[in-house]
Amino acid sequence: SAVISQKPSRDICQRGTSLTIQCQVDSQVTMMFWYRQQPGQSLTLIATANQGSEATYESGFVIDKFPISRPNLTFSTLTVSNMSPEDSSIYLCSVDGFTDTQYFGPGTRLTVL
Amino acid sequence: QKEVEQDPGPLSVPEGAIVSLNCTYSNSAFQYFMWYRQYSRKGPELLMYTYSSGNKEDGRFTAQVDKSSKYISLFIRDSQPSDSATYLCAMLENSGGSNYKLTFGKGTLLTVNP
Repeated sequence: SAVISQKPSRDICQRGTSLTIQCQVDSQVTMMFWYRQQPGQSLTLIATANQGSEATYESGFVIDKFPISRPNLTFSTLTVSNMSPEDSSIYLCSVDGFTDTQYFGPGTRLTVL
Repeated sequence: QKEVEQDPGPLSVPEGAIVSLNCTYSNSAFQYFMWYRQYSRKGPELLMYTYSSGNKEDGRFTAQVDKSSKYISLFIRDSQPSDSATYLCAMLENSGGSNYKLTFGKGTLLTVNP
């Protein structure tokens, strides 16, 4: 399985600011995914990022709020823009694995004050 | 009705017990079924994967799928304190091509007491 790292592992941010989360994979992958995990809620897909194309966002998530970059086959970033306390969550990136499975990074724990 | 229902627990068992974790789903198009284990402050780790009805065994873990009842289970035999984690079921509707989306249950928090 791929080894995935995320930076930062956690952060505390002020309302109205933006945070960029990085996701690095140790091998080339076609698809990278960004999820949000809120307490008591299911893991929710934010968007799918393929290299060389615009990210595909799920219902309820928009590019202005969660811009994503995918400059190459091993790296992606997710920015949480103009943050509010409701954005406090764990943000996870994942990559496609064998036979339609996904492997996850360790997550970024974000607190917005 | 949510697409995937999973009892969040918490579930507390003594060491050595047999644990049964369950999910139900409503979408008949789901074809692939997974169980992830998530330790506190860690990302989900793929535990089991199956795509057909029946049982699949891996060590102390058995994944069971009943597509007719839209019900999946994960059994843990001889549970250990190290099994204490949140267990997430996930399902995939293979839309073909290179795009697919996992749908997760909310997760069941399991504690195995020594």
